[in-house]
Amino acid sequence: DQQVKQNSPSLSVQEGRISILNCDYTNSMFDYFLWYKKYPAEGPTFLISISSIKDKNEDGRFTVFLNKSAKHLSLHIVPSQPGDSAVYFCAARPEGTDKLIFGTGTRLQVFP
Amino acid sequence: DAGVIQSPRHEVTEMGQEVTLRCKPISGHNSLFWYRQTMMRGLELLIYFNNNVPIDDSGMPEDRFSAKMPNASFSTLKIQPSEPRDSAVYFCASSPGQAYGYTFGSGTRLTVV
Repeated sequence: DQQVKQNSPSLSVQEGRISILNCDYTNSMFDYFLWYKKYPAEGPTFLISISSIKDKNEDGRFTVFLNKSAKHLSLHIVPSQPGDSAVYFCAARPEGTDKLIFGTGTRLQVFP
Repeated sequence: DAGVIQSPRHEVTEMGQEVTLRCKPISGHNSLFWYRQTMMRGLELLIYFNNNVPIDDSGMPEDRFSAKMPNASFSTLKIQPSEPRDSAVYFCASSPGQAYGYTFGSGTRLTVV
């Protein structure tokens, strides 16, 4: 039973346009949500996070939105660049723990 | 800071053999995590340690898997006996105690034939 779901295995976007990656979760006891980026043959690297008490967090070209009532979060990348091509993982932290529950990932391809 | 160091980078072994994966966390990080990446399930948490003590091993698939952390600078994940369905990329990560501080190693790609 996947507590964190990324239903789109892949996404293709033209350079300069917006990329929107989606994530759904089932557990109401998550208190932090994070996005990680992974290039081939490397480990995932932290990208951006949001606390469950907020609905938006922005860092440069990256913005994460959280809709608690829908148990949904999304990552917006504007404008998309070819270097953003990677696998993006959504993750959530159960309250009171240090562990992260990850989704299955979405492969983003940004083409010129 | 060399980051989280995992060895070996690649491992090919025959079914039934014992496999040991190794991890050196970042100095000063007191939490260590073992994850497995597969296409079907993404990144699965297998086990995590805090101050060298196992806190949650509910993700360990079965008794063939075991993990140890004898000291703050070293951890192992052992599979005995290995099976073809164990083929995956295994990641180790460490954290200073806050979830957004995870640093992952480069992973070990395990192939069991």
